[in-house]
Amino acid sequence: AQTVTQSQPEMSVQEAETVTLSCTYDTSENNYYLFWYKQPPSRQMILVIRQEAYKQQNATENRFSVNFQKAAKSFSLKISDSQLGDTAMYFCAFMPYNNNDMRFGAGTRLTVKP
Amino acid sequence: DAMVIQNPRYQVTQFGKPVTLSCSQTLNHNVMYWYQQKSSQAPKLLFHYYDKDFNNEADTPDNFQSRRPNTSFCFLDIRSPGLGDAAMYLCATSTRTGGTDTQYFGPGTRLTVL
Repeated sequence: AQTVTQSQPEMSVQEAETVTLSCTYDTSENNYYLFWYKQPPSRQMILVIRQEAYKQQNATENRFSVNFQKAAKSFSLKISDSQLGDTAMYFCAFMPYNNNDMRFGAGTRLTVKP
Repeated sequence: DAMVIQNPRYQVTQFGKPVTLSCSQTLNHNVMYWYQQKSSQAPKLLFHYYDKDFNNEADTPDNFQSRRPNTSFCFLDIRSPGLGDAAMYLCATSTRTGGTDTQYFGPGTRLTVL
């Protein structure tokens, strides 16, 4: 069974600074997808960034980038130039390539301070 | 612009009284999911439909059922809600084109059981 671990229950960062959220996972699959989802307080979950395991290049989306280390089974999220609107719960998620069974980590609550 | 719609946003029911939550989508996605998210926890997959094929997670209680009468709608039926079923219920959709794809979440229905 796949498991996803987020070892940082809470983090905070000053506005405009950079923060990195950690995620590790355990799987015997070779092909899979990894995601970071953001869930702001009382708002719906939205996709931040995704990575296909067969791609060596790290995904980037504007201020968001990942450091994907397949051998180490690590998938961290870097948020540059943090903004107040980045305050949210961040979930790392894993999905095998050949089915729809997505597994979430426990989440990291990020607070961006002015 | 609403893509995944959940009704109602807040539902209060009594212990043991059946309740139905609904989800609709305008994305024409062929996969629809139901997740349960308890306070400060990660979403937990209950089941999903791939077109009309129903896929139940092994640890989803029998108390939870689902119906998908057409592509656009999916319902979650809780036959006899217990206090432990109080949670946010999230609906999500995705399209499957060769492999799995990003899931799009609705805003959720918060269920209170009295």
